[in-house]
Amino acid sequence: EVHLVESGGGLVKPGGSLRLSCAASGFTFSAYNMNWVRQAPGKGLEWVSSITSSSSYIFYADSVKGRFTISRDNAENSLHLQLNSLRGEDTAVYYCATYGTMSAFDIWGQGTLVTVSS
Amino acid sequence: DIQMTQSPSSLSASVGDRVTITCRSSQIISRYLNWYQQKPGKAPKLLIYAASTLHSGVPSRFSGSGSGTDFTLTINNLQPEDFATYFCQQTYSTPPPTFGQGTKVEI
Repeated sequence: EVHLVESGGGLVKPGGSLRLSCAASGFTFSAYNMNWVRQAPGKGLEWVSSITSSSSYIFYADSVKGRFTISRDNAENSLHLQLNSLRGEDTAVYYCATYGTMSAFDIWGQGTLVTVSS
Repeated sequence: DIQMTQSPSSLSASVGDRVTITCRSSQIISRYLNWYQQKPGKAPKLLIYAASTLHSGVPSRFSGSGSGTDFTLTINNLQPEDFATYFCQQTYSTPPPTFGQGTKVEI
């Protein structure tokens, strides 16, 4: 069965850091471009970052550029998001998602909650 | 960036109703339009991609249409499990792959 499982969320103070991980199973992880999408409490979906299958291309939303770093380890079937200089507005559930051949986000993890508060 | 605007933001409906949600893009996006369903506390699920193609396992009461800038998600014979929030998304011009603000379908 296809699975994405996020981990690493938690409570962090403004200016702090966290590293999120997304473990993939049940599909050929190395063949997929991957994404992070976040959702602030009671709000809509916001794309955060994406990385191509071989890490050749990386993109970030303007709101996180220079603070967040996406990476992947195809040997370990894992995706990561390093969150630095965190702000209150970064409080959200963070989802990892595959970018399928149909140009859509077809597999999603269950999400991990990041709360930035003093 | 391409802006996606959904309407309405919320609607009330009854089991058995036909529901229509619209999504408009700020630029022409051909048929690079996807629809997602999200239930409270759960991750979004892909329903429809390429404007009208049902994702694997999605019931046939869901349908999508449109091209260019105007798109529609229709749910026929609304079922209790369909009460959720629906998001459209364009993947024509990325990054960023922008989402609509969501439409909450309530009882």
